[in-house]
Amino acid sequence: EVQLVESGGGLVQPGGSLRLSCEGSGFIFSSHGMTWVRQAPGKGLEWVSGISESGATTYFADSVEGRFTISRDNSRNTVYLQMNSLRAEDTAVYYCARVTGAWQLDYWGQGSLVTVSS
Amino acid sequence: DIQMTQSPSSLSASVGDRVTITCRASQYIGINLNWYQQRPGKAPKLLIYRATSLQSGVQAGFSGSGSGTDFTLTISSLQREDFATYYCQQSFSTPHNFGQGTRLEIK
Repeated sequence: EVQLVESGGGLVQPGGSLRLSCEGSGFIFSSHGMTWVRQAPGKGLEWVSGISESGATTYFADSVEGRFTISRDNSRNTVYLQMNSLRAEDTAVYYCARVTGAWQLDYWGQGSLVTVSS
Repeated sequence: DIQMTQSPSSLSASVGDRVTITCRASQYIGINLNWYQQRPGKAPKLLIYRATSLQSGVQAGFSGSGSGTDFTLTISSLQREDFATYYCQQSFSTPHNFGQGTRLEIK
């Protein structure tokens, strides 16, 4: 059974940093790209970042470019989202999702809440 | 960046109704269009990928059509569990933006 489990969310002050982790199981982790998607309270889905199977290629939304980095450790079946210079508008539930085929997202984690507030 | 626009933003319907949701891309995306369902408090679920392909395990009442810039999601006969929010997403070029969502409510 494919599972994705996020961790690392919490409350952080504006300007602070946080690192989210997403551990995958039940599939060959190194064979899939991975993506982070977020959802602000009461709002829609926002694509945040993606990473290729090897980690060699990364992609970012304009809203997080230069502040967030994505990486992966295939030996640990884990993808990371390092979030720096956090702003109130980064408050959201952050989902990791598995990429398949033509970059559709076929499995999602349960989400990790990040709250940026003083 | 490619912008995705869904219509309507909300929709009221009854069990058994046939409903259609549309999604328009701001530029050509081929068939790189995916549809997701999200129930309250839950993670999104992939329904349709590459515009017309039904994801494994998804009930046959869901179908997708379109190519280029205009796409539709059709639910042939609404079931109670289909009342949720639906999102389209383009995966033609990054950022892989989502539409704003269509909230489907019980009439």
